[in-house]
Amino acid sequence: NAGVTQTPKFQVLKTGQSMTLQCAQDMNHNSMYWYRQDPGMGLRLIYYSASEGTTDKGEVPNGYNVSRLNKREFSLRLESAAPSQTSVYFCASTLVPRGATGNTIYFGEGSWLTVV
Amino acid sequence: RKEVEQDPGPFNVPEGATVAFNCTYSNSASQSFFWYRQDCRKEPKLLMSVYSSGNEDGRFTAQLNRASQYISLLIRDSKLSDSATYLCVVRTTGNQFYFGTGTSLTVIP
Repeated sequence: NAGVTQTPKFQVLKTGQSMTLQCAQDMNHNSMYWYRQDPGMGLRLIYYSASEGTTDKGEVPNGYNVSRLNKREFSLRLESAAPSQTSVYFCASTLVPRGATGNTIYFGEGSWLTVV
Repeated sequence: RKEVEQDPGPFNVPEGATVAFNCTYSNSASQSFFWYRQDCRKEPKLLMSVYSSGNEDGRFTAQLNRASQYISLLIRDSKLSDSATYLCVVRTTGNQFYFGTGTSLTVIP
C-alpha cells in the first residue's frame, strides 16, 4: 500500500547543478501536485497537473519545470539550483471524480533538498 | 491576503486539557475543508474533514461556519501523542488546495 512515493529523500546540490525529483502514485489519482514547505511559509504550490497531459503553474513556479510522464508519475526538475531552493518538497495527489466534493489530498514523505 | 490564515501558536497545554484552533479562509467559493496533522519532519496527513453540520471523531471536533468563513478544531482530553502541527486546508474550485501555515501544539506531561 505505497500511496505516493517520492525520491530522493535527501539531496545536497551545489549552486548551478540540476536534478529531478521523482514522484509516483498508485491510487489511480488524476491530479498531482508539487509543493515546497519553508519555515513560517506553510505549503506553497509550485506546479500541478489536473490530469495526464496537462500541467499548470502554481504560486512559486520560477526555477522549476515539471513533467507529467503518465497518470502515475509527476516529476519536478530544478534546472540550475539556487540556495533559495533549499526546502522540503512534497509531492501530492488527489482523485477528482466528476461532480465529487470532499476528496482529500495525499502526500509523499517529502524530499529534503539543500543547495550550497 | 492569504487564502487561509491560522494562529501559528505555539500552544503549550498540559495533558488532559482542552484546546481549540481557529482558521479563516478568504475564498467564499471554497468547497471542501479539512484539518491535517503534520509531525516533525513528516508529511501532512488527514486528521478529519470538516462539514457545516459539525463533525466529531473521538476527542476531536471540527466545525465550519460558511457565513463567517471560519473553521475550528477542538481537541479534548489532550494526549502527549497529540503534539504536532495542525494545518487548516481548504479546497477551492479547480481542485486547488490551500494550506494555513499551521498551529503548533505541544502537550506537556
